[in-house]
Amino acid sequence: DIVMTQTPLSLSVTPGQPASISCKSSQSLVHTDGNTYLYWYLQRSGQPPQLLIYEVSNRFSGVPDRFSGSGSGTDFTLKISRVEAEDVGVYYCMQSIQLPYTFGQGTKLEIK
Amino acid sequence: QVLLQQWGAGLLKPSETLSLTCAVYGGSFSSYYWSWIRQPPGKGLEWIGESNHSGSTSYNPSLKSRLSISVDTSKNQFSLKLSSVTAADTAVYYCVRLYCTVGSCYPDYWGQGTLVTVSS
Repeated sequence: DIVMTQTPLSLSVTPGQPASISCKSSQSLVHTDGNTYLYWYLQRSGQPPQLLIYEVSNRFSGVPDRFSGSGSGTDFTLKISRVEAEDVGVYYCMQSIQLPYTFGQGTKLEIK
Repeated sequence: QVLLQQWGAGLLKPSETLSLTCAVYGGSFSSYYWSWIRQPPGKGLEWIGESNHSGSTSYNPSLKSRLSISVDTSKNQFSLKLSSVTAADTAVYYCVRLYCTVGSCYPDYWGQGTLVTVSS
């Protein structure tokens, strides 16, 4: 199985300040078709995860543009340009280049 | 708008069979794959398995011997059965729609989740 490792595991951010989460995979997520199958999800308390970013850097419908994704190969980053109160929750990266799909451990974002 | 509504027994005894069903509203059922993902209390996410509308399945090897995912295209529903459950199967179970491209699939819409507790 591909292991997804996120850092940090927790983050406390002042509203209006930026935040960054790293995700590293144990194998390259670049497919032979040229695409990279790395995704980001946010799970708010008591809710199912919701898709934020697909294929490294594409924002899902309705996701604010303060969220951005970047990276290549095995190293990826989710950035929030200006954190808002509604961004509180646990962020997960996920790979789907190989079954079983696997998730990172999660990064808990709190507001200072 | 896409809505996944799930139901099933929330309390099981060890060795019983977990059974959940998910109804899909909105979108074309035949155009997507359908999956289950679980989350033990306070822990991370684990992909269980998936099926397309024709019943072609892929399962997590860690659960494969106990697992069955089926679809009912006439009702736009899909189901999960996990046999011989133990306390380690206690988790919130989510039904999930997978959006598939040529190379891969990913969850885009999730059900609300069902907490399944296994306890004697």
